[in-house]
Amino acid sequence: NAGVTQTPKFRVLKTGQSMTLLCAQDMNHEYMYWYRQDPGMGLRLIHYSVGEGTTAKGEVPDGYNVSRLKKQNFLLGLESAAPSQTSVYFCASSDTQFSPLHFGNGTRLTVT
Amino acid sequence: GNSVTQMEGPVTLSEEAFLTINCTYTATGYPSLFWYVQYPGEGLQLLLKATKADDKGSNKGFEATYRKETTSFHLEKGSVQVSDSAVYFCALSAGSARQLTFGSGTQLTVLP
Repeated sequence: NAGVTQTPKFRVLKTGQSMTLLCAQDMNHEYMYWYRQDPGMGLRLIHYSVGEGTTAKGEVPDGYNVSRLKKQNFLLGLESAAPSQTSVYFCASSDTQFSPLHFGNGTRLTVT
Repeated sequence: GNSVTQMEGPVTLSEEAFLTINCTYTATGYPSLFWYVQYPGEGLQLLLKATKADDKGSNKGFEATYRKETTSFHLEKGSVQVSDSAVYFCALSAGSARQLTFGSGTQLTVLP
């Protein structure tokens, strides 16, 4: 009963490096989301997808790209990491736009 | 735009004390309201929700009532336990895409 799985759990990058965060869900959900969580700011939406092959910008999309080539996977890419992208990243999925979100356990990213 | 304002933490209570965490919102249209809980090292989980005015959401002894006249959705529990120690997030869903807007979170610590 995996639900939403995020890899990796932790990562340290140097400024300018690139990386991809992977989110996989096994619930056949249409909607998937990437959030970042920063102290005192709650969760802010980076990008989201309403179905396979679709992506859309959220509240804080700059510096990130996403892809949803398969329904079960939602990838978040950082092309050139910056210290301001140090955060905890959460992926979530939902069955419909009205359904509750199911969250992964997060990826802690530090950019030095 | 949509926004959620939560009571600032941290909140520290003794076991069996009464809990209130205040949440007010600003939204266009008729939002749905949610409380999510995040236990240490985990992703967020839905605690309760309410989809229209005067609805009361409840779960695990927690309750919150959707008050349209005061634009509030305060979380309450009559007798907290040590196991309730977590971060609590108020959130709303509104607009055509129904994306979630989160408050900044309130850290609750319950002492034995």
